[in-house]
Amino acid sequence: GAVVSQHPSRVICKSGTSVKIECRSLDFQATTMFWYRQFPKQSLMLMATSNEGSKATYEQGVEKDKFLINHASLTLSTLTVTSAHPEDSSFYICSAEGDPNSPLHFGNGTRLTVT
Amino acid sequence: GQNIDQPTEMTATEGAIVQINCTYQTSGFNGLFWYQQHAGEAPTFLSYNVLDGLEEKGRFSSFLSRSKGYSYLLLKELQMKDSASYLCAVRAGSSNTGKLIFGQGTTLQVKP
Repeated sequence: GAVVSQHPSRVICKSGTSVKIECRSLDFQATTMFWYRQFPKQSLMLMATSNEGSKATYEQGVEKDKFLINHASLTLSTLTVTSAHPEDSSFYICSAEGDPNSPLHFGNGTRLTVT
Repeated sequence: GQNIDQPTEMTATEGAIVQINCTYQTSGFNGLFWYQQHAGEAPTFLSYNVLDGLEEKGRFSSFLSRSKGYSYLLLKELQMKDSASYLCAVRAGSSNTGKLIFGQGTTLQVKP
């Protein structure tokens, strides 16, 4: 079955630094990837839609200059949290879409803690 | 706007049957998904409905009524490992690609 790999699984960084999270589709090409954020005991909130070779589409209220998304190839999208603050601490999950008739496949998520 | 509602918490007994309801109001509809999520882990796919009716997959079944904006997930022969959060998600938009909008999730606790 389709596999999405996300790295790192956990990261702790200091306030003001930047963190890059990678999302790879391992056995299929994904023209579209989605980035979600999940705070404790809450559901997944869509942050942005990442399209290969073009600019990402951000949801309302998500700062595009703070959450930089790059989707340079059909198998890799990256999310960079710039100038991280403690309130950015969250669980970040990517998902990738291969066959339009198949469900979205999720990466294992990245637990970000900003100290 | 987009609105997906499901109960926050449910409790059921091991071996029993539980039904988790989901109602939605979205701009466009192209499928409804149910995912299971254990604490600290990513969601795993359970079922998908795009046409009205019941989809059965082992101990799990999902029902959809597009005219009512309603779905439910039915879990039979509950096991302790079924204790998790269950997420209802709608693929909004007019095509069969596109983002999923998630409900807030239902935390199910299975008791012995």
